[in-house]
Amino acid sequence: EVQLVESGGGLVQPGGSLRLSCAASGFTFSHYWMIWVRQAPGKGLEWVANMNQDGSKKYYVDSVKGRFTISRDNAKNSLYLQMNSLRDEDTAVYRCARSGQQAAYDYWGQGTLVTVSS
Amino acid sequence: ENVLTQSPGTLSLSPGERATLSCRASQSVSSSDLAWYQQKPGQAPRLLIYGASTRATGIPDRFSGSGSGTDFTLTISSLQADDCGTYYCHQYRISPWTFGQGTKVEIK
Repeated sequence: EVQLVESGGGLVQPGGSLRLSCAASGFTFSHYWMIWVRQAPGKGLEWVANMNQDGSKKYYVDSVKGRFTISRDNAKNSLYLQMNSLRDEDTAVYRCARSGQQAAYDYWGQGTLVTVSS
Repeated sequence: ENVLTQSPGTLSLSPGERATLSCRASQSVSSSDLAWYQQKPGQAPRLLIYGASTRATGIPDRFSGSGSGTDFTLTISSLQADDCGTYYCHQYRISPWTFGQGTKVEIK
């Protein structure tokens, strides 16, 4: 069974940092693109970043470029999101997802809540 | 950026009725790169349709997708109580990957 489990969220002050993790199981992690998607409270879905299988290609939404870094450790079946210089508008549930069925996101984690507030 | 605009914002229908959800893109989308997701409150999104018209594994055949270019449609042929939730379209080939703002489906 495919499982994606996020961790690392919490309350952080503006300007602070957090590192999110996504533990993958039930599939060959190193074979798939992986993605971070966020959802602000009561709002829709927003793609944040994604990465190819070996980490050589990374893409970010403009609003996080230079502040967030996506990475992965295929030996540990884990995806990460390092978030620096956090802003109020980064408050959201962050979910990792697998790019599977013809590159659509076929499995999602339940998410971890990041709250940026003073 | 390819902006996806969904309509209507909210759809309120009775069980057994047909639901038609629209997704319009500001730039042409390859049919192979358009997906639909269902999300229930407090849950992760679930992939329904990929490649504009292919049902994901385990998705009932009352869900169907169609369209090409800039206009795509998700149809639920006979609405069931469990189909309530918010539905999002998504283009996933060209950065920035974008989602529509969602259509909320309510069951009367």
